[in-house]
Amino acid sequence: GDSVTQMEGPVTLSEEAFLTINCTYTATGYPSLFWYVQYPGEGLQLLLKATKADDKGSNKGFEATYRKETTSFHLEKGSVQVSDSAVYFCARDTGFQKLVFGTGTRLLVSP
Amino acid sequence: DTAVSQTPKYLVTQMGNDKSIKCEQNLGHDTMYWYKQDSKKFLKIMFSYNNKELIINETVPNRFSPKSPDKAHLNLHINSLELGDSAVYFCASSQVWGASSTDTQYFGPGTRLTVL
Repeated sequence: GDSVTQMEGPVTLSEEAFLTINCTYTATGYPSLFWYVQYPGEGLQLLLKATKADDKGSNKGFEATYRKETTSFHLEKGSVQVSDSAVYFCARDTGFQKLVFGTGTRLLVSP
Repeated sequence: DTAVSQTPKYLVTQMGNDKSIKCEQNLGHDTMYWYKQDSKKFLKIMFSYNNKELIINETVPNRFSPKSPDKAHLNLHINSLELGDSAVYFCASSQVWGASSTDTQYFGPGTRLTVL
């Protein structure tokens, strides 16, 4: 079935380090892909999305490129801040607005 | 302005009780959802409603009964609560519904349910 696989966390980085969180998806159909972020004590917020192959989603310095050939949608940021500490969820749609989420990756950024 | 709101934020109750969680969205969206997030942060859809009609029901025990009195509200009633129901429940909404839609879902702040 449709699924999303994310790297396990936590990912621990120092401020200004480079971030990569890996995400791969099952290649059924042509899904849209999403990254959501959950800050402590809050609900999920859409961070970025891409709707077709080779699209790049970007927001707040984060980027992810829809790679059909590797069925991946890795999240990157060139220089993380303490305020980026959160749980990041990769997701794909399966049609009819149904989202399937990965298990989430916790990012901890220290000063 | 709160886009998607849920009440209560925290709910602690005994096994066997019946409880409800309420959700309201003021975005004018047609579609609303309930998700369950377990203790390991795994997030899974439970239900989806479009224009007050049930669209998605993901193998959820029938102790869980969603009710949508109007497009802006989707409440979740849980009968005979069990220990395994302890989780964070998120409500969400999106503008449109359909196979070709990639509309963004907006999430509420969550309700942390603890069953003792």
